[in-house]
Amino acid sequence: DGGITQSPKYLFRKEGQNVTLSCEQNLNHDAMYWYRQDPGQGLRLIYYSQIVNDFQKGDIAEGYSVSREKKESFPLTVTSAQKNPTAFYLCASSIDLAGDQAYEQYFGPGTRLTVT
Amino acid sequence: GQNIDQPTEMTATEGAIVQINCTYQTSGFNGLFWYQQHAGEAPTFLSYNVLDGLEEKGRFSSFLSRSKGYSYLLLKELQMKDSASYLCAVSREVQTGANNLFFGTGTRLTVIP
Repeated sequence: DGGITQSPKYLFRKEGQNVTLSCEQNLNHDAMYWYRQDPGQGLRLIYYSQIVNDFQKGDIAEGYSVSREKKESFPLTVTSAQKNPTAFYLCASSIDLAGDQAYEQYFGPGTRLTVT
Repeated sequence: GQNIDQPTEMTATEGAIVQINCTYQTSGFNGLFWYQQHAGEAPTFLSYNVLDGLEEKGRFSSFLSRSKGYSYLLLKELQMKDSASYLCAVSREVQTGANNLFFGTGTRLTVIP
């Protein structure tokens, strides 16, 4: 079964600690994305990656970092510099992200991060 | 930049029809998506419109008017399981050449018996 997995589903951390959220896909998609979802707000793009070893900042990249060493994996690190890290984090992938056509994004189940 | 507006909440009766509107202002537009999201779960794809007109898929239809910056999602024969948030997302080309999605805040639909 092809899909996107994120783990863990719930994550608790103390303020000042870095934490890494995992995202794996076996859809053979080139493009991957990280979003953050807060109550009353739309999904906001943190980082995206078109191919291995390449990634770009989205609208709210400050306090986050990513890597794309393998096509299947796009982990997100929430650093202590992120002022309001408590949120629902969603990873997504698509066939591609460039060209004349927009492609459907497939989402993982999400990780709810709580920082206290 | 982009501005995407949709109603925050709607309530409809089981078996009825409901229309969820989305208006947007953006540059570099190359399509509009609708996603369904149940509470605490991942958004799932419902529809994609890039040309003006209506796209029908079973009980769900989506309409786009590019000149008016307007779309709607039409849900027919509502079922209790349709209670969810419906996300309008505009795709536009950004500086890097990527087509990124920009989401509205979502419309929470409650279906009542």
